[in-house]
Amino acid sequence: NAGVTQTPKFQVLKTGQSMTLQCAQDMNHNSMYWYRQDPGMGLRLIYYSASEGTTDKGEVPNGYNVSRLNKREFSLRLESAAPSQTSVYFCASSETTSNSPLHFGNGTRLTVT
Amino acid sequence: AQSVAQPEDQVNVAEGNPLTVKCTYSVSGNPYLFWYVQYPNRGLQFLLKYITGDNLVKGSYGFEAEFNKSQTSFHLKKPSALVSDSALYFCAANDGGATNKLIFGTGTLLAVQP
Repeated sequence: NAGVTQTPKFQVLKTGQSMTLQCAQDMNHNSMYWYRQDPGMGLRLIYYSASEGTTDKGEVPNGYNVSRLNKREFSLRLESAAPSQTSVYFCASSETTSNSPLHFGNGTRLTVT
Repeated sequence: AQSVAQPEDQVNVAEGNPLTVKCTYSVSGNPYLFWYVQYPNRGLQFLLKYITGDNLVKGSYGFEAEFNKSQTSFHLKKPSALVSDSALYFCAANDGGATNKLIFGTGTLLAVQP
């Protein structure tokens, strides 16, 4: 089972460049999430999508946009990358109910120089 | 503001000894509580959760966690540590409401020495 698949695994950008991180899940989950992981700060929610067609801001949305393309796919876009966006990005999915565990992809390691 | 705290950056334990990884929370309502584990260069994997009922919750790989409402704690435990348990552990919570937005702690690195 593929679960949650993220591409690319690694990316280096120059300040000001743009890119889109891709995420797809094959578990028929309604909800999808984007988190960033930074040393000493745990995981922080960037955006989430409770169901197809809806998106909402999380704790740290500035500098990011998202698209819930369909039930399977949820992309994260950096329009103008900044060094502060150097991080590891994780996509996750879950059933809608708040007692459902999240299923995570293996992450995208992004460096902005 | 709602938060989850993991007071120890690292826990060291000898193989075969019991382990405890601490977690406290400050979340309104009746929170749902979770533990996740992260191995190097991988995403987080779900270990166990507390929703309601018995305060001792059993999960994957022999781990269990004890919910204590009066101390707002949800400590992760295992009776006998294995070297293969060495990993980064995250505690997380949501407010038990309509959405599944988790608040994560900062993580605790568990190092099990042979």
